Amino acid sequence: KAGVTQTPRYLIKTRGQQVTLSCSPISGHRSVSWYQQTPGQGLQFLFEYFSETQRNKGNFPGRFSGRQFSNSRSEMNVSTLELGDSALYLCASSPDRGNYEQYFGPGTRLTVT
Amino acid sequence: DQQVKQNSPSLSVQEGRISILNCDYTNSMFDYFLWYKKYPAEGPTFLISISSIKDKNEDGRFTVFLNKSAKHLSLHIVPSQPGDSAVYFCAASVGGSEKLVFGKGTKLTVNP
Repeated sequence: KAGVTQTPRYLIKTRGQQVTLSCSPISGHRSVSWYQQTPGQGLQFLFEYFSETQRNKGNFPGRFSGRQFSNSRSEMNVSTLELGDSALYLCASSPDRGNYEQYFGPGTRLTVT
Repeated sequence: DQQVKQNSPSLSVQEGRISILNCDYTNSMFDYFLWYKKYPAEGPTFLISISSIKDKNEDGRFTVFLNKSAKHLSLHIVPSQPGDSAVYFCAASVGGSEKLVFGKGTKLTVNP
């Protein structure tokens, strides 16, 4: 079974621009979560989607948004990019909601200049 | 406020010996705990988990111990192998939520 895939793997953007990152979960997985990893804050939860609905949200500003499609694929969007948004963005999928381990993709490295 | 803490940024052990990675948490509502390992340029890989109704879970060379009264868990790797060298993250959640709260990680180096 193919793992979680994320595109693109690397991205360079300028302050003020917006960016969309994509995540394809493991086949059959219905829950998709997004995390931001930075050297200072570590891994922080952004949001979780299940059945095309946001079920959980972390403490990030409204510039961070996401969505999930009927095939469980998910996208996250960051508008009005700031230098501090430079990070590794990780997507994770799990078969269902509840105490299931999450499987992570390789991440998208976003650099904001 | 950091709810999940891994106080040792790094740990070095000899091949064949035991590696013990520690994790403390402050939120008594956490009831599900996981360990992940991460190699550079890859996403975290799930290792082992434990529910708060248990105090031990084993999977091959990996054992996780949970001490609820001390709000402490540990991951034991026996025997340690050079391929285990990676950053290990402890994570916790409440009520089966997908919102995982991660520690900042411990870098394990296993020397041949």
